[in-house]
Amino acid sequence: KQEVTQIPAALSVPEGENLVLNCSFTDSAIYNLQWFRQDPGKGLTSLLLIQSSQREQTSGRLNASLDKSSGRSTLYIAASQPGDSATYLCAVTRYSSGNTGKLIFGQGTTLQVKP
Amino acid sequence: ETGVTQTPRHLVMGMTNKKSLKCEQHLGHNAMYWYKQSAKKPLELMFVYNFKEQTENNSVPSRFSPECPNSSHLFLHLHTLQPEDSALYLCASSQKQGTSTDTQYFGPGTRLTVL
Repeated sequence: KQEVTQIPAALSVPEGENLVLNCSFTDSAIYNLQWFRQDPGKGLTSLLLIQSSQREQTSGRLNASLDKSSGRSTLYIAASQPGDSATYLCAVTRYSSGNTGKLIFGQGTTLQVKP
Repeated sequence: ETGVTQTPRHLVMGMTNKKSLKCEQHLGHNAMYWYKQSAKKPLELMFVYNFKEQTENNSVPSRFSPECPNSSHLFLHLHTLQPEDSALYLCASSQKQGTSTDTQYFGPGTRLTVL
């Protein structure tokens, strides 16, 4: 059974810091890994999607890496801003010939960036 | 705005009530999803529809009944719920379920409270 774990559960940093969020998964048979952002009381916004054949993806100040063999992904946020404050969710898409496209989520890391 | 809308945004209901949640996507996608987000638990997939056909039922109790009349609309009919069913219910859509580049777009959710 695929399990996704995110560490830390919460993180508070001063503005301007570079930071790393961690995600680990137990089964390397995945289609892809995605990072989402969720603001309080709102839905999820997709930030980055890394296909299983890729090692990393970048978008602006965000960089996500994927190491399938070790079951790990990291989300790197450069020069953090107060507007980055949110919960960040990692999810893997489970690979199965008869049941594709199922997202398995971690519990998230709640980030607070202080001005 | 992600192109996925949900109504109502908030719902309070008694255990004997019958209500429905509605989701509509304006993205021309073919797959739609219902997720449940409870406090202190990872986001859980409930149902998946691909081209109006249900392709996933994640062992959801029968008091939750989904309906997908077309690719743009998804409903979740609720009856005789329990207080532990109180949660944020999120709808999502994607172009096509089961591809390695498929990204899901989420609605803002319906916050459900069962008294």
